[in-house]
Amino acid sequence: DTGVSQDPRHKITKRGQNVTFRCDPISEHNRLYWYRQTLGQGPEFLTYFQNEAQLEKSRLLSDRFSAERPKGSFSTLEIQRTEQGDSAMYLCASSPRLGSQETQYFGPGTRLLVL
Amino acid sequence: AQSVTQLGSHVSVSEGALVLLRCNYSSSVPPYLFWYVQYPNQGLQLLLKYTSAATLVKGINGFEAEFKKSETSFHLTKPSAHMSDAAEYFCAVSRPTGNQFYFGTGTSLTVIP
Repeated sequence: DTGVSQDPRHKITKRGQNVTFRCDPISEHNRLYWYRQTLGQGPEFLTYFQNEAQLEKSRLLSDRFSAERPKGSFSTLEIQRTEQGDSAMYLCASSPRLGSQETQYFGPGTRLLVL
Repeated sequence: AQSVTQLGSHVSVSEGALVLLRCNYSSSVPPYLFWYVQYPNQGLQLLLKYTSAATLVKGINGFEAEFKKSETSFHLTKPSAHMSDAAEYFCAVSRPTGNQFYFGTGTSLTVIP
Protein backbone atom coordinates (compact mmCIF):
# COMPACT_ATOMS: atom_id res chain seq x y z
CA ASP A 1 0.00 0.00 0.00
CA THR A 2 1.36 3.36 -1.00
CA GLY A 3 -1.34 5.24 0.89
CA VAL A 4 -3.78 7.87 -0.29
CA SER A 5 -2.12 10.56 -2.40
CA GLN A 6 -3.38 14.00 -3.29
CA ASP A 7 -2.22 16.47 -5.87
CA PRO A 8 -1.36 19.28 -5.65
CA ARG A 9 -0.37 19.67 -2.02
CA HIS A 10 -0.74 23.43 -2.20
CA LYS A 11 -2.71 25.70 -4.51
CA ILE A 12 -2.87 29.47 -4.57
CA THR A 13 -5.43 31.01 -6.87
CA LYS A 14 -7.22 34.26 -7.46
CA ARG A 15 -10.87 34.71 -6.65
CA GLY A 16 -13.04 33.68 -9.57
CA GLN A 17 -10.65 31.11 -10.97
CA ASN A 18 -11.42 27.41 -11.24
CA VAL A 19 -9.30 24.80 -9.48
CA THR A 20 -9.19 21.01 -9.65
CA PHE A 21 -7.74 18.61 -7.12
CA ARG A 22 -6.93 14.98 -7.60
CA CYS A 23 -7.07 12.10 -5.15
CA ASP A 24 -5.64 8.64 -5.68
CA PRO A 25 -7.03 6.23 -3.08
CA ILE A 26 -5.40 3.08 -1.81
CA SER A 27 -5.59 0.48 -4.53
CA GLU A 28 -8.83 -1.57 -4.50
CA HIS A 29 -10.52 0.65 -1.93
CA ASN A 30 -14.13 0.93 -2.98
CA ARG A 31 -15.09 3.99 -1.00
CA LEU A 32 -13.65 7.44 -1.46
CA TYR A 33 -14.49 10.50 0.62
CA TRP A 34 -13.84 14.21 0.35
CA TYR A 35 -13.66 16.47 3.40
CA ARG A 36 -12.94 20.13 3.97
CA GLN A 37 -10.98 21.32 6.98
CA THR A 38 -10.70 24.95 7.99
CA LEU A 39 -8.31 26.33 10.57
CA GLY A 40 -9.16 25.23 14.07
CA GLN A 41 -11.90 22.87 12.95
CA GLY A 42 -12.25 19.19 12.34
CA PRO A 43 -12.80 17.79 8.87
CA GLU A 44 -16.29 18.33 7.48
CA PHE A 45 -17.81 15.77 5.14
CA LEU A 46 -18.37 16.90 1.56
CA THR A 47 -19.18 13.81 -0.46
CA TYR A 48 -18.40 10.15 -0.96
CA PHE A 49 -18.23 7.57 -3.73
CA GLN A 50 -18.87 3.86 -3.77
CA ASN A 51 -16.81 2.83 -6.77
CA GLU A 52 -17.79 5.34 -9.48
CA ALA A 53 -21.17 6.23 -7.99
CA GLN A 54 -21.46 9.43 -5.96
CA LEU A 55 -23.85 8.34 -3.23
CA GLU A 56 -24.06 11.25 -0.86
CA LYS A 57 -23.36 14.98 -0.91
CA SER A 58 -23.29 17.40 1.98
CA ARG A 59 -25.18 20.66 1.78
CA LEU A 60 -21.72 22.23 2.13
CA LEU A 61 -21.13 21.17 -1.46
CA SER A 62 -22.56 24.14 -3.32
CA ASP A 63 -23.28 24.20 -7.04
CA ARG A 64 -19.76 25.50 -7.62
CA PHE A 65 -18.32 22.22 -6.39
CA SER A 66 -18.29 19.04 -8.43
CA ALA A 67 -16.64 15.72 -7.77
CA GLU A 68 -16.11 12.78 -10.05
CA ARG A 69 -14.66 9.30 -9.88
CA PRO A 70 -15.02 8.21 -13.48
CA LYS A 71 -13.51 4.74 -13.38
CA GLY A 72 -13.91 4.01 -9.73
CA SER A 73 -10.24 4.67 -9.08
CA PHE A 74 -8.96 8.24 -8.73
CA SER A 75 -11.27 11.15 -8.01
CA THR A 76 -11.26 14.84 -8.83
CA LEU A 77 -12.81 17.72 -6.95
CA GLU A 78 -13.38 20.89 -8.94
CA ILE A 79 -14.29 24.27 -7.52
CA GLN A 80 -15.58 26.81 -10.02
CA ARG A 81 -15.47 30.55 -9.52
CA THR A 82 -13.50 30.26 -6.31
CA GLU A 83 -14.30 32.53 -3.38
CA GLN A 84 -12.12 33.51 -0.45
CA GLY A 85 -14.33 31.38 1.79
CA ASP A 86 -13.20 28.32 -0.14
CA SER A 87 -9.74 28.64 1.39
CA ALA A 88 -9.24 25.46 3.38
CA MET A 89 -7.50 22.10 3.45
CA TYR A 90 -9.28 19.57 1.24
CA LEU A 91 -8.80 16.03 2.46
CA CYS A 92 -9.45 12.80 0.65
CA ALA A 93 -9.92 9.46 2.37
CA SER A 94 -10.61 5.92 1.23
CA SER A 95 -11.86 2.76 2.89
CA PRO A 96 -11.81 -0.80 1.66
CA ARG A 97 -15.32 -1.97 2.26
CA LEU A 98 -18.86 -1.08 3.04
CA GLY A 99 -19.68 -0.28 6.60
CA SER A 100 -19.33 2.80 8.77
CA GLN A 101 -17.09 0.89 11.15
CA GLU A 102 -14.42 0.73 8.50
CA THR A 103 -11.33 2.85 9.02
CA GLN A 104 -10.93 5.75 6.65
CA TYR A 105 -7.39 6.27 5.43
CA PHE A 106 -6.58 9.91 4.80
CA GLY A 107 -4.32 11.56 2.31
CA PRO A 108 -2.05 14.51 3.16
CA GLY A 109 -4.55 17.04 1.84
CA THR A 110 -4.51 19.90 -0.62
CA ARG A 111 -4.26 23.32 0.96
CA LEU A 112 -6.12 25.93 -1.05
CA LEU A 113 -5.62 29.66 -0.65
CA VAL A 114 -7.93 31.96 -2.57
CA LEU A 115 -6.65 35.53 -2.83
CA ALA B 1 -28.16 13.45 14.68
CA GLN B 2 -24.58 12.63 15.47
CA SER B 3 -22.18 15.07 17.03
CA VAL B 4 -18.93 15.06 18.89
CA THR B 5 -17.69 17.46 21.53
CA GLN B 6 -14.05 17.69 22.44
CA LEU B 7 -13.55 19.58 25.66
CA GLY B 8 -10.40 21.65 25.66
CA SER B 9 -9.07 22.91 22.37
CA HIS B 10 -5.57 23.03 23.84
CA VAL B 11 -4.01 20.66 26.36
CA SER B 12 -0.48 20.92 27.73
CA VAL B 13 1.25 18.16 29.66
CA SER B 14 4.76 17.60 30.85
CA GLU B 15 6.83 14.89 29.25
CA GLY B 16 6.15 11.65 31.15
CA ALA B 17 2.81 12.84 32.52
CA LEU B 18 -0.60 11.35 31.88
CA VAL B 19 -2.38 12.43 28.71
CA LEU B 20 -6.16 12.75 28.89
CA LEU B 21 -8.10 14.09 25.92
CA ARG B 22 -11.86 14.26 26.32
CA CYS B 23 -14.53 13.30 23.82
CA ASN B 24 -18.27 13.18 24.36
CA TYR B 25 -20.71 12.12 21.71
CA SER B 26 -24.39 12.35 21.06
CA SER B 27 -26.07 9.71 19.00
CA SER B 28 -29.51 8.28 18.75
CA VAL B 29 -28.06 4.79 18.33
CA PRO B 30 -24.87 3.20 19.65
CA PRO B 31 -22.19 4.68 17.43
CA TYR B 32 -18.79 3.71 16.19
CA LEU B 33 -16.08 5.95 17.63
CA PHE B 34 -12.64 6.83 16.37
CA TRP B 35 -9.61 8.81 17.45
CA TYR B 36 -7.35 10.24 14.77
CA VAL B 37 -4.08 12.16 15.10
CA GLN B 38 -2.89 14.84 12.72
CA TYR B 39 0.70 16.03 12.59
CA PRO B 40 1.48 19.40 10.96
CA ASN B 41 0.94 19.42 7.22
CA GLN B 42 -0.11 15.79 7.20
CA GLY B 43 -3.34 13.88 6.85
CA LEU B 44 -5.14 12.13 9.66
CA GLN B 45 -3.89 8.84 11.02
CA LEU B 46 -6.06 6.40 12.92
CA LEU B 47 -5.07 5.86 16.55
CA LEU B 48 -7.87 3.52 17.57
CA LYS B 49 -11.53 2.75 17.09
CA TYR B 50 -14.50 1.34 18.97
CA THR B 51 -16.91 -0.83 17.02
CA SER B 52 -19.05 -2.38 19.77
CA ALA B 53 -16.62 -5.06 20.86
CA ALA B 54 -14.46 -4.49 23.95
CA THR B 55 -15.16 -1.17 25.63
CA LEU B 56 -11.47 -0.58 26.38
CA VAL B 57 -9.68 -0.12 23.11
CA LYS B 58 -5.93 -0.09 22.71
CA GLY B 59 -4.37 1.76 19.85
CA ILE B 60 -1.01 2.66 18.43
CA ASN B 61 1.75 4.56 20.21
CA GLY B 62 0.53 3.53 23.67
CA PHE B 63 -2.84 5.26 23.45
CA GLU B 64 -6.09 3.74 24.66
CA ALA B 65 -9.68 4.84 25.05
CA GLU B 66 -12.66 3.57 26.97
CA PHE B 67 -16.22 3.64 25.68
CA LYS B 68 -18.59 4.59 28.49
CA LYS B 69 -22.18 4.46 27.32
CA SER B 70 -23.56 5.85 30.58
CA GLU B 71 -21.38 8.94 30.21
CA THR B 72 -21.54 9.06 26.39
CA SER B 73 -17.79 9.44 26.46
CA PHE B 74 -14.77 8.06 24.65
CA HIS B 75 -11.79 9.75 26.30
CA LEU B 76 -8.29 9.14 25.00
CA THR B 77 -5.48 8.43 27.43
CA LYS B 78 -1.80 7.65 27.48
CA PRO B 79 0.06 6.93 30.72
CA SER B 80 3.25 8.79 29.83
CA ALA B 81 3.49 11.59 27.30
CA HIS B 82 6.35 11.71 24.84
CA MET B 83 7.55 14.72 22.92
CA SER B 84 6.52 13.02 19.69
CA ASP B 85 2.88 12.99 20.87
CA ALA B 86 2.56 16.70 20.21
CA ALA B 87 -0.10 16.95 17.52
CA GLU B 88 -3.77 17.64 16.86
CA TYR B 89 -6.17 14.93 17.97
CA PHE B 90 -9.65 14.43 16.57
CA CYS B 91 -12.50 12.34 17.88
CA ALA B 92 -15.02 11.13 15.29
CA VAL B 93 -18.31 9.28 15.38
CA SER B 94 -20.18 7.34 12.75
CA ARG B 95 -23.58 5.77 12.84
CA PRO B 96 -23.84 2.03 12.13
CA THR B 97 -26.40 2.65 9.40
CA GLY B 98 -24.76 5.77 8.03
CA ASN B 99 -21.87 6.63 5.80
CA GLN B 100 -20.34 9.77 7.27
CA PHE B 101 -17.80 10.51 9.92
CA TYR B 102 -18.58 13.46 12.16
CA PHE B 103 -15.45 14.99 13.61
CA GLY B 104 -14.95 17.08 16.70
CA THR B 105 -13.14 20.39 16.54
CA GLY B 106 -9.90 18.83 17.70
CA THR B 107 -7.57 19.13 20.67
CA SER B 108 -4.05 20.42 20.22
CA LEU B 109 -1.66 18.58 22.52
CA THR B 110 1.55 20.27 23.61
CA VAL B 111 4.19 18.27 25.46
CA ILE B 112 6.49 20.32 27.66
CA PRO B 113 10.04 19.01 28.14
